[in-house]
Amino acid sequence: EAQVTQNPRYLITVTGKKLTVTCSQNMNHEYMSWYRQDPGLGLRQIYYSMNVEVTDKGDVPEGYKVSRKEKRNFPLILESPSPNQTSLYFCASSLNHPIDTQYFGPGTRLTVL
Amino acid sequence: GNSVTQMEGPVTLSEEAFLTINCTYTATGYPSLFWYVQYPGEGLQLLLKATKADDKGSNKGFEATYRKETTSFHLEKGSVQVSDSAVYFCALSDQSGNQFYFGTGTSLTVIP
Repeated sequence: EAQVTQNPRYLITVTGKKLTVTCSQNMNHEYMSWYRQDPGLGLRQIYYSMNVEVTDKGDVPEGYKVSRKEKRNFPLILESPSPNQTSLYFCASSLNHPIDTQYFGPGTRLTVL
Repeated sequence: GNSVTQMEGPVTLSEEAFLTINCTYTATGYPSLFWYVQYPGEGLQLLLKATKADDKGSNKGFEATYRKETTSFHLEKGSVQVSDSAVYFCALSDQSGNQFYFGTGTSLTVIP
């Protein structure tokens, strides 16, 4: 089954404790992206990757890191999480760029205390 | 910069009513425009898209026309069903095709 998976689905952590949210797709897609969803703000793009080893900042990259060492994986790293990063995070992938259909993962709900 | 503005909700309609959700955009050049839908507890799914001016996207009875003169991409459906209850997001991809911008979302509830 073609899908985007994210782990964990739910995470409660404390300020400053490094964490990684994994994202994996099995569709051989070139383009991958991370978004955060906040009430009243919709989804905002954090980082995106056009292909392996190529990543770039979206609208709200501060406090986040990403890497793209393999085509299928695009982990999101929070080196020192803060409470303002409490949010619902979605990973997405598409064939070559976001003009193609983006397929979204199920989301990761992160709470930073 | 690029941005999307859509009508605030929530919107509540009776089954078989006509639906319009307004969406306008600000962008340089020639963006592509999208409607994505989020059903409760799920990730987003593409509903429809249009990649150039005057194009009409359509899917599942929903339609939207890319109007460059009014910078709009309003979503319409002639007769909504209870199963259409969801949050609808208007979005654009910038001219480079790399970055993506969503509106704030409009929650729709359809009552029997």
